[in-house]
Amino acid sequence: EAGVTQFPSHSVIEKGQTVTLRCDPISGHDNLYWYRRVMGKEIKFLLHFVKESKQDESGMPNNRFLAERTGGTYSTLKVQPAELEDSGVYFCASSQDPHSGMSHEQFFGPGTRLTVL
Amino acid sequence: QKEVEQNSGPLSVPEGAIASLNCTYSDRVSQSFFWYRQYSGKSPELIMSIYSNGDKEDGRFTAQLNKASQYVSLLIRDSQPSDSATYLCAASSNAGGTSYGKLTFGQGTILTVHP
Repeated sequence: EAGVTQFPSHSVIEKGQTVTLRCDPISGHDNLYWYRRVMGKEIKFLLHFVKESKQDESGMPNNRFLAERTGGTYSTLKVQPAELEDSGVYFCASSQDPHSGMSHEQFFGPGTRLTVL
Repeated sequence: QKEVEQNSGPLSVPEGAIASLNCTYSDRVSQSFFWYRQYSGKSPELIMSIYSNGDKEDGRFTAQLNKASQYVSLLIRDSQPSDSATYLCAASSNAGGTSYGKLTFGQGTILTVHP
């Protein structure tokens, strides 16, 4: 079974530019999460999709961040315009249906390292 | 106060010893707890989950949960150099509402197992 995949693995952009990150969850996982790790800090939650619906976006830093999950499969996270403090590693994770017992085990992708210059 | 706190280490143990990693949490709503292992430059890898008070064993790993003390620990028996990594403690609430499933992480404990 393929794991969570993310693209690109690295992205270096200049302040003010736009970047779009992509996440493909494990097939059949309804729950998709985005997290971010800024250097020196702990991993922090950004938002949670259940299928194509945003369940919780309380961790999104501001309106420069836009996440979508059209069709309930892969998700994109767009940062526009990027600022220096957006640099970090963006992780995606997925888990099964919340009522299937093992649902709260989240499996992480390899992350996208974003550097904003 | 951070919601999930770990002893930041680094923790160094000799090969074959028991490594003990500790974590405390402040939110009593938290009901599910997870230990992830993260090698440098890699993604967090789930190694243990625990939901009930007591011990849960899986191979060389034992997770312990004490909800009254808001404390979670991970013991690694017969530590190997390949266990050297950062260990992340995470908590989530599986109560009703919008925040179920969201993981709150500690800052991680760096473990080094030396031959």
